[in-house]
Amino acid sequence: GNSVTQMEGPVTLSEEAFLTINCTYTATGYPSLFWYVQYPGEGLQLLLKATKADDKGSNKGFEATYRKETTSFHLEKGSVQVSDSAVYFCAPYSGGGADGLTFGKGTHLIIQP
Amino acid sequence: NAGVTQTPKFQVLKTGQSMTLQCAQDMNHEYMSWYRQDPGMGLRLIHYSVGAGITDQGEVPNGYNVSRSTTEDFPLRLLSAAPSQTSVYFCASNGGSRSPLHFGNGTRLTVT
Repeated sequence: GNSVTQMEGPVTLSEEAFLTINCTYTATGYPSLFWYVQYPGEGLQLLLKATKADDKGSNKGFEATYRKETTSFHLEKGSVQVSDSAVYFCAPYSGGGADGLTFGKGTHLIIQP
Repeated sequence: NAGVTQTPKFQVLKTGQSMTLQCAQDMNHEYMSWYRQDPGMGLRLIHYSVGAGITDQGEVPNGYNVSRSTTEDFPLRLLSAAPSQTSVYFCASNGGSRSPLHFGNGTRLTVT
């Protein structure tokens, strides 16, 4: 089955710092790749996605590029804000029902003013 | 535009009690799924469905039942609650294979 490696943190940064959250995965076939974000007390929300090699997903200033050769999908943002404090999940989806989707354990990000 | 609606938001049960967590979606999604989220364990798949009348087990199905009689609803039943089922439960739906999941806001369940 699929597996995902991402650091759990907490990762603590100052406002306006550069953010990288690494994600590497193993997956069957050619998965679509997702980043989800979970704010306190809420469910997960889709942050961005990429469906094929070298695609770049972007949303709200966050970006991630589908790197097939290194099986990675690292999340970056140039200048983080306090409102970005949340838990971030990397998730490859190989296909089929929900059993084809694997979530990482989540990276807890804390942004200090 | 409700999306995925879960009820109740909070629930406290005694060991051995049964209950049903409700989940409804208004996006006409074929696929629905249930997860539990525990500290240090991430999200774990309990049961999922790829259409009305079709359900299958996920990673941690024991102690839970599901049915899918309509496209909109996917209730999760706890047959005899145990303290190990204390968790936050999320329902999700998506439009098909490889399409992004839409999550409800969760049900926080405590079993004493």
